[in-house]
Amino acid sequence: AQSVAQPEDQVNVAEGNPLTVKCTYSVSGNPYLFWYVQYPNRGLQFLLKYITGDNLVKGSYGFEAEFNKSQTSFHLKKPSALVSDSALYFCAEGNFNKFYFGSGTKLNVKP
Amino acid sequence: DTEVTQTPKHLVMGMTNKKSLKCEQHMGHRAMYWYKQKAKKPPELMFVYSYEKLSINESVPSRFSPECPNSSLLNLHLHALQPEDSALYLCASSQGQGAYEQYFGPGTRLTVT
Repeated sequence: AQSVAQPEDQVNVAEGNPLTVKCTYSVSGNPYLFWYVQYPNRGLQFLLKYITGDNLVKGSYGFEAEFNKSQTSFHLKKPSALVSDSALYFCAEGNFNKFYFGSGTKLNVKP
Repeated sequence: DTEVTQTPKHLVMGMTNKKSLKCEQHMGHRAMYWYKQKAKKPPELMFVYSYEKLSINESVPSRFSPECPNSSLLNLHLHALQPEDSALYLCASSQGQGAYEQYFGPGTRLTVT
């Protein structure tokens, strides 16, 4: 069963504007949640993770994500988008022995 | 150093060939993974090795055969593949499983003709 969902196939944002890439989870208990970015013909790069503690997690390249237990969400955010942020973004949930990836969201940042 | 290396970067093989993909990490990670990824789709888990032992096989066809010679190396042996096996094959490693982030290599782009 899908444990994370990314409801948007594509997000378009203008450079300099804030961006949000959405992720919701359905696992019960305390989830382990991750965000990855993938540039064309490259592997996935780890951005950040939530295991426990503060609900606002800061990661690489100015990205952050907010864990919201009541809304079962873990949205990725950045205050000011760059054209170079254009890529494919995956949310993932890690259980005892493997990851479950969301379907991915293509982020387009236009100059 | 958070680097996972994979060779070759590109591979074209016929359906009767035998080839191998290689993956290496020097981060002291004890879990290593093989994934298959089709264009614009999430990675699909194939195999997991934990402490050099195969812990997960996601019902992968026997034409794919993994091997973990030591804690730093992971191989994927390929034989009698089908055109639908053409994909990006990603290797990853992590300190452990579950709560630990996985670090991915750049992948091998495989084309089966």
